[in-house]
Amino acid sequence: KQEVTQIPAALSVPEGENLVLNCSFTDSAIYNLQWFRQDPGKGLTSLLLIQSSQREQTSGRLNASLDKSSGRSTLYIAASQPGDSATYLCALGGYSTLTFGKGTMLLVSP
Amino acid sequence: GAGVSQSPRYKVAKRGQDVALRCDPISGHVSLFWYQQALGQGPEFLTYFQNEAQLDKSGLPSDRFFAERPEGSVSTLKIQRTQQEDSAVYLCASSLAGGPIGEQFFGPGTRLTVL
Repeated sequence: KQEVTQIPAALSVPEGENLVLNCSFTDSAIYNLQWFRQDPGKGLTSLLLIQSSQREQTSGRLNASLDKSSGRSTLYIAASQPGDSATYLCALGGYSTLTFGKGTMLLVSP
Repeated sequence: GAGVSQSPRYKVAKRGQDVALRCDPISGHVSLFWYQQALGQGPEFLTYFQNEAQLDKSGLPSDRFFAERPEGSVSTLKIQRTQQEDSAVYLCASSLAGGPIGEQFFGPGTRLTVL
């Protein structure tokens, strides 16, 4: 059974810092990995999707990497802004399901 | 364009009541998923439809939970004889293609509180 761990559980940084969120998983037999953000009381917004054959994806200030051999993914956020404050979730794609971690709660202070 | 919509957004039920939660996926999306998210946790998979066929229901926690998608579009998650442990946010997601899994687009969720 896939197990997903996200570290840290919570992170507080001042505006402008670069930061890294970590995700580790136990089963490397995946189709893809997705990073989502979740704002309080809202659904999930897809940020980046990395296919199993890929090593990284970039979108604006976000960069996600995937290393299946070590069972790790990182989400790098450059020049953080208060609007980045949210919970960030990684999810591993099996054939028909996503398995989520518990998320990292990020607070970026002005 | 319209995203995934869910109704109601909030539902309060007394223990023992039946509830029905609705999901309208993005038009044309083949795959539809239901997840349950407890407070402070990540979403957990409940069930998966490809068109009207329910291909995976391994995540449904008990036989009180039932989901359907009769015409391959709108889906309903029904919970019978609700219990306090059913209190959670129920998220619906849709994906353009059938398996293997592609990018999923989520609705805002229905927050169920069982008193």
